[in-house]
Amino acid sequence: GQNIDQPTEMTATEGAIVQINCTYQTSGFNGLFWYQQHAGEAPTFLSYNVLDGLEEKGRFSSFLSRSKGYSYLLLKELQMKDSASYLCAVRDPSGNTPLVFGKGTRLSVIA
Amino acid sequence: GAGVSQSPSNKVTEKGKDVELRCDPISGHTALYWYRQSLGQGLEFLIYFQGNSAPDKSGLPSDRFSAERTGGSVSTLTIQRTQQEDSAVYLCASSLDQGTYEQYFGPGTRLTVT
Repeated sequence: GQNIDQPTEMTATEGAIVQINCTYQTSGFNGLFWYQQHAGEAPTFLSYNVLDGLEEKGRFSSFLSRSKGYSYLLLKELQMKDSASYLCAVRDPSGNTPLVFGKGTRLSVIA
Repeated sequence: GAGVSQSPSNKVTEKGKDVELRCDPISGHTALYWYRQSLGQGLEFLIYFQGNSAPDKSGLPSDRFSAERTGGSVSTLTIQRTQQEDSAVYLCASSLDQGTYEQYFGPGTRLTVT
């Protein structure tokens, strides 16, 4: 089966750091993705991890541990515009779905 | 350049009617995906096309749903005899090919079945 878990909601303060976790259980694995989706808009690609470790891209970083079935998205120097849903998705080549998405974490950045 | 476009942006229909949703992928992208997103839910995969190959229909929720892709470009998702549970945002995405990890999403079509 395929299962992806991430917290439903998180709140953080402007200028702070927030970590959004994602755990997955899939039969196969060929990459983990993070997408950002603002309310009423389409998801946009943030990051891709296929090997263990940390990938840094500006204020955003993504970490993967394949042995633990675990990833996190780290957002630094939070800005109000970072308020959005963050979707974790896994590519499982053994399944019929190109990408399996979690339900998303709604992040609210407050002043 | 132009991104993925979808039409209509909003569609309200009566239960039992058929609807057609359209997706124009990014030019040159051979892979095209349809997803459904209900309120508070994650993205639910429906169907994808890779080039001119037969589509993978395994994600379609019922036989009322069908999709086609003409000329390897524009795609139409058809829902027959709509039900209230079909109400959702239908998102289309495209990528260079099925093996490319980055999918570009369109703005979606919000379908409301009354």
